Amino acid sequence: EAQVTQNPRYLITVTGKKLTVTCSQNMNHEYMSWYRQDPGLGLRQIYYSMNVEVTDKGDVPEGYKVSRKEKRNFPLILESPSPNQTSLYFCASSIGQGGDEQYFGPGTRLTVT
Amino acid sequence: GQNIDQPTEMTATEGAIVQINCTYQTSGFNGLFWYQQHAGEAPTFLSYNVLDGLEEKGRFSSFLSRSKGYSYLLLKELQMKDSASYLCAPYTGTASKLTFGTGTRLQVTL
Repeated sequence: EAQVTQNPRYLITVTGKKLTVTCSQNMNHEYMSWYRQDPGLGLRQIYYSMNVEVTDKGDVPEGYKVSRKEKRNFPLILESPSPNQTSLYFCASSIGQGGDEQYFGPGTRLTVT
Repeated sequence: GQNIDQPTEMTATEGAIVQINCTYQTSGFNGLFWYQQHAGEAPTFLSYNVLDGLEEKGRFSSFLSRSKGYSYLLLKELQMKDSASYLCAPYTGTASKLTFGTGTRLQVTL
């Protein structure tokens, strides 16, 4: 089954404790992206990657890191999480660049206390 | 930058027709996506309009006017399962930039 998976689905952590949210797709898609979704603000892009070893900042990259060492994986790293990073995070992938339909993962609900 | 405007909430009756509007101001516009998102779930693709006009896909249709910076999503024969948020997302084609509006939450009632 073609899908985008994320782990964990739910996470409660404390300020400053490094964490990684994994994202994997099995569709051989070149393009992957991370979004956060907050009430009243909609989906905002954090980082995106157009292929292996090619990543770039989205609209709200501060406090986040990403890497794309393999085509299928695109982990999101929070080196020192803060309460303002409490949010619902989505990973997405598409065949090519943003003009193609994006397939979203199920989401990761992160709470930073 | 981009400016995207859609109504925050709408209510409609089961079996009716509803139109959700989206206006946008953006540079380098290539096309416009509509996504559906049920509460607590991931967005799912509905449509992508590149050319002016109406595109129909079953009960859902999407319209685009590039010159007016305007799009709408038309939902016919509404069903309870259509209760969801509908996200408008212009695509600029620049650095794979897809920007989402804040979404319109549609509630379908009996």
